[in-house]
Formats: sequence, C-alpha cells, structure tokens
Amino acid sequence: GAVVSQHPSRVICKSGTSVKIECRSLDFQATTMFWYRQFPKQSLMLMATSNEGSKATYEQGVEKDKFLINHASLTLSTLTVTSAHPEDSSFYICSAREGTGYTFGSGTRLTVV
Amino acid sequence: GESVGLHLPTLSVQEGDNSIINCAYSNSASDYFIWYKQESGKGPQFIIDIRSNMDKRQGQRVTVLLNKTVKHLSLQIAATQPGDSAVYFCAETLGGGGNKLTFGTGTQLKVEL
Repeated sequence: GAVVSQHPSRVICKSGTSVKIECRSLDFQATTMFWYRQFPKQSLMLMATSNEGSKATYEQGVEKDKFLINHASLTLSTLTVTSAHPEDSSFYICSAREGTGYTFGSGTRLTVV
Repeated sequence: GESVGLHLPTLSVQEGDNSIINCAYSNSASDYFIWYKQESGKGPQFIIDIRSNMDKRQGQRVTVLLNKTVKHLSLQIAATQPGDSAVYFCAETLGGGGNKLTFGTGTQLKVEL
C-alpha cells in the first residue's frame, strides 16, 4: 500500500530557531499534500494544502511567513517552522493525496524550549 | 465535525463488547466520509470510508452508518479488543475525495479487560 514517510519523528529546538519537517511519498506520486497540526487531546487542524510546483494554500489564521511550505517534487513536501516559539510546540502531521484517498505520515513531535 | 475542545469524549467498553462511536459532521454538502484510528504519538490510520450515496458500509469487524438527514456518522466495532484502544476521528470532505479533509473532535476508546 501507499506509504508516506515523515521526518523527523521528534525534534527539540531552541526558541527563535527554524525547524524543517519532511514528508515523502515513497511509492506513489503526490501532487497534493496536506499539513496538519494537532495539540494534545485535540483534533487535527488543517494548516495548508500543498500542490506540487505552486504556492501552498493556507487556512485562515495560519501565518504563511511563519510556516513555510515547499512542494518542489511529486514525492516531497517540506514544512519549515521559522523563528519557532514555545507556543509552536505541537504534533505536525502530513498527508498525501493518492487519487481520492489519503495516506498520512507518522507525525513529528516538535518541542520548542 | 469542526468543533475542537480541550477534552476528548471517552468511551469505555469491556473487551468483547460492541462499541459505537458517534460523530456529527458540519457540512451538508460533504459527500465522502472517513473514519480514522489514531494511537498515541502516531498518524491517523484509515479504518473505513463511506460515500454519501450509501447509508451503511461494512468492513472487517467495523460498520459505518451515515444519516445525511441529521448529518451523523457512527462507527460500530464488533467484539472490541484491547488493540482497539485509541482515539477515533471522523473526517469529511467534498468532491468525492481528494480535497481537504475536515476532522471531527474525536473520541477516546478505552477497552477494559
């Protein structure tokens, strides 16, 4: 079946630094990928939709200059959290669209100290 | 299906009993629905899906019911096992799939031995 690899699984960074999270579709081409954020005991909230070769579409309230998304190839999308602050600590999850279905990555636990 | 709270509803069941998890979705135009299982620290795992032209779909030990009149989905798990313990989310989308998903609040299922 379709597999999406997300790295790193855990990252701790200092406040003010930037962190890059990678999402790769391993055995299929993903023209569209989605990035979610999930706080403890809450649901997944869509941050942005990433389309290969074009600018990402951000959901209302998500700062596009803070959460940089790049989808330069059909198998890789990256999310960079710039100038991270403790309130950015969360579980970030990517999802790749394959036809009408979705395959999720295993998530990245970001802790900003 | 868009509300996000600080406390996940919890359903506790005895091993071997049947579980019913409910979800109210938000958009009457949604035509594709998916149930996901999420274990702690992992990404969502597909369980079963249903399209709006159906009101019931069965899988292995799971059944999804869709009531479009009241915008309600339910997931029934037969003979619940300890391995079923997780958080369960419903998700909705438009256009038959492939577009952005909106996740419900989620329900924590605890299976007691």
